[in-house]
Amino acid sequence: KQEVTQIPAALSVPEGENLVLNCSFTDSAIYNLQWFRQDPGKGLTSLLLIQSSQREQTSGRLNASLDKSSGRSTLYIAASQPGDSATYLCAANYGGSQGNLIFGKGTKLSVKP
Amino acid sequence: GAGVSQSPSNKVTEKGKDVELRCDPISGHTALYWYRQSLGQGLEFLIYFQGNSAPDKSGLPSDRFSAERTGGSVSTLTIQRTQQEDSAVYLCASSLRGQGGHEQYFGPGTRLTVT
Repeated sequence: KQEVTQIPAALSVPEGENLVLNCSFTDSAIYNLQWFRQDPGKGLTSLLLIQSSQREQTSGRLNASLDKSSGRSTLYIAASQPGDSATYLCAANYGGSQGNLIFGKGTKLSVKP
Repeated sequence: GAGVSQSPSNKVTEKGKDVELRCDPISGHTALYWYRQSLGQGLEFLIYFQGNSAPDKSGLPSDRFSAERTGGSVSTLTIQRTQQEDSAVYLCASSLRGQGGHEQYFGPGTRLTVT
């Protein structure tokens, strides 16, 4: 069964810290992996998409890496800010006939000023 | 350009009533997805449309759920005889195409509460 796991479920850090969020997936034959941010009561905002042929993607203070062989992805946030507080979700796309995403349950991040 | 829009943003209904949720995808996106996010649960895939066709409806949780898409654009998700366990946030996403692993863009969701 294809499953995505995110650890930790919640994380609290002081402002300014660099942090890493972890995502693991059971089936390494992914097509791509997408990281999202979800604010309370809101939809999902796409942060980064990493194709299976790529090892990392960067956008501003965010860097996502992908290691298919170990079934892992990480989201690195540099110099965290209170505005980064949200739930971060990773989702694996295995392609196929539908291309639906399989989501982890998310890591709830709180950045304290 | 305009993103994915969903309506209504919130819906409160009595148990046993039917509800319709609407999704308007990004213009030009041929693939459309419905997901459900229940309290304390992860996001669960419900159904996928490529154009107007939904080749696999096995993700729908029961036969009370149905969905359609017309004109390759707007989609409606209908829940008949709603139950309390249907309470969740229903999210819609669209992408350029279903196959090929294109980035999915999500709407703000419809929060459904069944009393």
